[in-house]
Amino acid sequence: DADVTQTPRNRITKTGKRIMLECSQTKGHDRMYWYRQDPGLGLQLIYYSFDVKDINKGEISDGYSVSRQAQAKFSLSLESAIPNQTALYFCATSDSAGGGLNEQFFGPGTRLTVL
Amino acid sequence: QQPVQSPQAVILREGEDAVINCSSSKALYSVHWYRQKHGEAPIFLMILLKGGEQKGHDKISASFNEKKQQSSLYLTASQLSYSGTYFCGTERSLGLVGGTSYGKLTFGQGTILTVHP
Repeated sequence: DADVTQTPRNRITKTGKRIMLECSQTKGHDRMYWYRQDPGLGLQLIYYSFDVKDINKGEISDGYSVSRQAQAKFSLSLESAIPNQTALYFCATSDSAGGGLNEQFFGPGTRLTVL
Repeated sequence: QQPVQSPQAVILREGEDAVINCSSSKALYSVHWYRQKHGEAPIFLMILLKGGEQKGHDKISASFNEKKQQSSLYLTASQLSYSGTYFCGTERSLGLVGGTSYGKLTFGQGTILTVHP
């Protein structure tokens, strides 16, 4: 089984709908991240969480919210989806051993299309 | 602020070498490198830390010039499997004694590497 899973893998929705993307991990990592990937723009950080009670905004948090339900689960919500949010979304995890940023393990991604 | 990668794309024959560069305008604590194949998740390659420490795969080499806030990834004797998009991720330094960081990565726009037989 995959260590970092994302559901759904693909989603097509309409403008104005509320959407939730879910991420689960079995690696026992304390840190979790949500990234958005658009062609030619690399990976942009939306939100990140260093533990259940520590959630931080990334570079492009407007229009998004997150919930860290447990150490292993980190959900991303689009309150009112717009076409501009059409993108590939990745969840990632890492541990905090040594105190610094360690290797990040990425989930398979969720391809979201907003019509 | 997003680091700048160069070149944007490179095409090689098997066995040739390539260098991918990553440059930031901010003081850095570390530089991370990832490779992503089309339609797949990014995969970790290497971390280069301020002070010279490196963590990563033995077959990948890279450098980190702390004074210039630049890193380079060296791909030697390229193989077909090296094809993909390479991203650098930079971790900014807080500039405090002890070298603590902001604890998050900012990724470059990517360099597309294509290796032909």
